[in-house]
Amino acid sequence: QVQLQESGPSLLKPSETLSLTCGVSGGSISGYYWSWIRQPPGKGLEWVGYISYIGNSKYNPSLKSRVTISLDRSNNQFSLNLNSVTAADAAVYFCARQQFGELSSFDYWGQGILITVSS
Amino acid sequence: DIVMTQSPDSLAVSLGERATINCKSSQSLLFSSNNKNYLSWYQQKPGQPPRLLIYWASSRQSGVPDRFSGSGSGTDFTLTISSLQAEDVAVYYCQHHHGTPFTFGQGTKVEIK
Repeated sequence: QVQLQESGPSLLKPSETLSLTCGVSGGSISGYYWSWIRQPPGKGLEWVGYISYIGNSKYNPSLKSRVTISLDRSNNQFSLNLNSVTAADAAVYFCARQQFGELSSFDYWGQGILITVSS
Repeated sequence: DIVMTQSPDSLAVSLGERATINCKSSQSLLFSSNNKNYLSWYQQKPGQPPRLLIYWASSRQSGVPDRFSGSGSGTDFTLTISSLQAEDVAVYYCQHHHGTPFTFGQGTKVEIK
């Protein structure tokens, strides 16, 4: 059974960089696309971006200038960096696997990590 | 970006009755090359991540009860719960994966009447 687990600091100050890691267990990171999705408290879901198993990435244009997703095959994990955070970036951040490649649904999700942005 | 609009925003259904959620996309989600609609449905309960229910608009994910079904093509899609159970109380989202950025509907909250 594939399991995903987000980790990283959960409290940030405005203008700091959000850095999260998603550890994948029970399966290989190879052969799949991996996404980050966020959800502000009480609101809907927003796709942040993905990285492929060969390191190609795509980002939501709404965040494109601030976001980077990277892959660490040796540790079976991938990471999200979002710089210059503001209160608008406060959300639960989920990592997820794309089931059948680039244009496919998210079949496995992490439990999510709540990120708070406050001075 | 493709805009996904769900209706209604919320609905209350009696136990054992049918629940129907609609999702409309601002452009077609059908790829003519493979005749697949790039539309998925998720269920989210409080404090939990979304759970994939339906992919390719009508294919049920492994382990999902057969009371959940998806239909539709092009720009109009429906999620049906044929006989609502207490454990189905949740928010349901549609999502397109026709291209990036992937976007979700605003969610439909299903409650027991």
